[in-house]
Amino acid sequence: SQQGEEDPQALSIQEGENATMNCSYKTSINNLQWYRQNSGRGLVHLILIRSNEREKHSGRLRVTLDTSKKSSSLLITASRAADTASYFCATDGGNTNAGKSTFGDGTTLTVKP
Amino acid sequence: DAGVIQSPRHEVTEMGQEVTLRCKPISGHDYLFWYRQTMMRGLELLIYFNNNVPIDDSGMPEDRFSAKMPNASFSTLKIQPSEPRDSAVYFCASLRGTLNYGYTFGSGTRLTVV
Repeated sequence: SQQGEEDPQALSIQEGENATMNCSYKTSINNLQWYRQNSGRGLVHLILIRSNEREKHSGRLRVTLDTSKKSSSLLITASRAADTASYFCATDGGNTNAGKSTFGDGTTLTVKP
Repeated sequence: DAGVIQSPRHEVTEMGQEVTLRCKPISGHDYLFWYRQTMMRGLELLIYFNNNVPIDDSGMPEDRFSAKMPNASFSTLKIQPSEPRDSAVYFCASLRGTLNYGYTFGSGTRLTVV
């Protein structure tokens, strides 16, 4: 099974609302990444949080990491219709090299105008 | 930079035919990854290269799949013979050194085997 599992599988909100997605993983990690995938496109890297970090911000994105619970959350504030996409977390499984990240199944976010 | 370039964007082929997917990574990136995405199995890592050398191919589903990276600017993923269950979107991604800036993905090749 996938290392990372996102929750919920699907989320529908109104423009301007906040969207929160969660990711749980099973083994230790060095870092955790979040990606966005628009329909029919490749994944785009959003943010990386290291295992010794608890929170990170990038624009309207806020990521938290709780290594004791093996979970992370991605918060998108003041959502826009353009945020409609699937969001994936990826974990490195504690690998020391850059190679092997495992992706979760994703959360599909729909932002209604 | 044009990003990671994959070709073709779409491929429809008949069962039993050979299929070759192509990828040009970003110049200067020393890692290259092939992923497969399906509704049922999500995003699966098939194989990855570091400095053109295959490092881990444990995700390659069967001997029908093979991948090569003859130089730093080109990689191929070949399926021979193709089967309907190989239908998926195949992504190539590249990376330089560390995960600090994450993987850069191509736009993918949507493969349909009929």
